[in-house]
Amino acid sequence: DSGVTQTPKHLITATGQRVTLRCSPRSGDLSVYWYQQSLDQGLQFLIQYYNGEERAKGNILERFSAQQFPDLHSELNLSSLELGDSALYFCASSRGAPPLNQPQHFGDGTRLSIL
Amino acid sequence: AQTVTQSQPEMSVQEAETVTLSCTYDTSENNYYLFWYKQPPSRQMILVIRQEAYKQQNATENRFSVNFQKAAKSFSLKISDSQLGDTAMYFCAFLETSGSRLTFGEGTQLTVNP
Repeated sequence: DSGVTQTPKHLITATGQRVTLRCSPRSGDLSVYWYQQSLDQGLQFLIQYYNGEERAKGNILERFSAQQFPDLHSELNLSSLELGDSALYFCASSRGAPPLNQPQHFGDGTRLSIL
Repeated sequence: AQTVTQSQPEMSVQEAETVTLSCTYDTSENNYYLFWYKQPPSRQMILVIRQEAYKQQNATENRFSVNFQKAAKSFSLKISDSQLGDTAMYFCAFLETSGSRLTFGEGTQLTVNP
C-alpha cells in the first residue's frame, strides 16, 4: 500500500459527460501529480500541484482541469468526454517540490471507460 | 526534452534465474534521478528502485539491482532469483532534479515461468 488513495477505482460513462477523479496523497506529502496511461500514448504526465498551487503542466487537454484543496487532496475534472479519454488515470504524491519531489508514490489508479 | 527507451517489449525467465531489463535515456541534464517501476496485472505502479545520477555506486534493493552507466546513458535492472510474483510490466523513468514530471519508457513485459 503506497498510502495514496484514489477514488473511484472504476468509472463508466458516456461521451460528452463530465467526471471528477479524486486523490488523497500520502500523509505529509505536499505535491500531487496526475498521469494518464493509455494504450496508444503510454504513461503521460498531466499536471502537478504543490501545497495548493499549480506547479507544472504537461500534456493536459483544455477540457481537463485540476485543483488541490487546503487539506491537500486533489481532484481531476474531465469534461466533454471523448472515446479517446478512456484510460487509467494515476495520482502520485511526493514530499515536496524539487529537489524533494522524489520519489513519487502512485495510487492504484482510476480506470475510466467511455462508452 | 528527455526521452526514455526500453528496447525489449517482452522478456521471459525461468523461476530462480536472473534477468536483466535494458533502458537507455537521452538528456542534456547533469543532475537527475532514474527509477524502475513495476506494474503487475493489478495495474498498481510500484516503485522498485531508484538511482541518483551524481552517485557512482549502483543502487540495490534486495534481489533488485541496477547497472548505471552515466556516460552511456544506460540504466539496466537486474532481477536475481526471479519469483513468480515478479511477473509484471516494468517501466524505466527519468526525473530532472529541478523538474516535476516523470518521463517513462514504453515498458517491458516480464513473465516469470515456473
